[in-house]
Amino acid sequence: GQQLNQSPQSMFIQEGEDVSMNCTSSSIFNTWLWYKQDPGEGPVLLIALYKAGELTSNGRLTAQFGITRKDSFLNISASIPSDVGIYFCAGRGWFVRFGAGTRLTVKP
Amino acid sequence: NAGVTQTPKFQVLKTGQSMTLQCAQDMNHEYMSWYRQDPGMGLRLIHYSVGAGITDQGEVPNGYNVSRSTTEDFPLRLLSAAPSQTSVYFCASRFGGAPQETQYFGPGTRLLVL
Repeated sequence: GQQLNQSPQSMFIQEGEDVSMNCTSSSIFNTWLWYKQDPGEGPVLLIALYKAGELTSNGRLTAQFGITRKDSFLNISASIPSDVGIYFCAGRGWFVRFGAGTRLTVKP
Repeated sequence: NAGVTQTPKFQVLKTGQSMTLQCAQDMNHEYMSWYRQDPGMGLRLIHYSVGAGITDQGEVPNGYNVSRSTTEDFPLRLLSAAPSQTSVYFCASRFGGAPQETQYFGPGTRLLVL
């Protein structure tokens, strides 16, 4: 089946630093998605990418859909304490398949 | 709107016990889904429904049953719980014509099977 590899598994950063995480797949996806999950909550969609090469921003978040359609990355600029959480990439095929997540900790 | 609600929030079961996880939405969404979230594995689709009376299997359906008698409710049944079903379960819903990424997730049910 389609496998999504998300890295890094966890990150510990200082407030104000930039963050980068990425996701690679063994198969092609037509849509890449990035979600954030706060403790005790379900995932919330941050960014959706629909076209290879597409670069999309949502505030301090920027995500790109890789040209090969097998990868995507998410950048967070100037991190703040409320960025803490688990970030998931996901690829949409027949189902939405999720990566294992990147747990982000931001130290004030 | 209450959105997507799930009950209970937490549950402890013994191996072999049965239980039903409840999911309800008040947004008149046609599509509803159940996912499980395990450490280091992301969310995986268990079952989904495209409308009342219609259900289908996702990636990991074994050990779970679903039914959809109303638009609002989509319960997930564990007939004989196993320790491998220890997980956090999320229900999600969306409009039928909308992309899958527009689905709203409930707050989750944390299940421990001893």
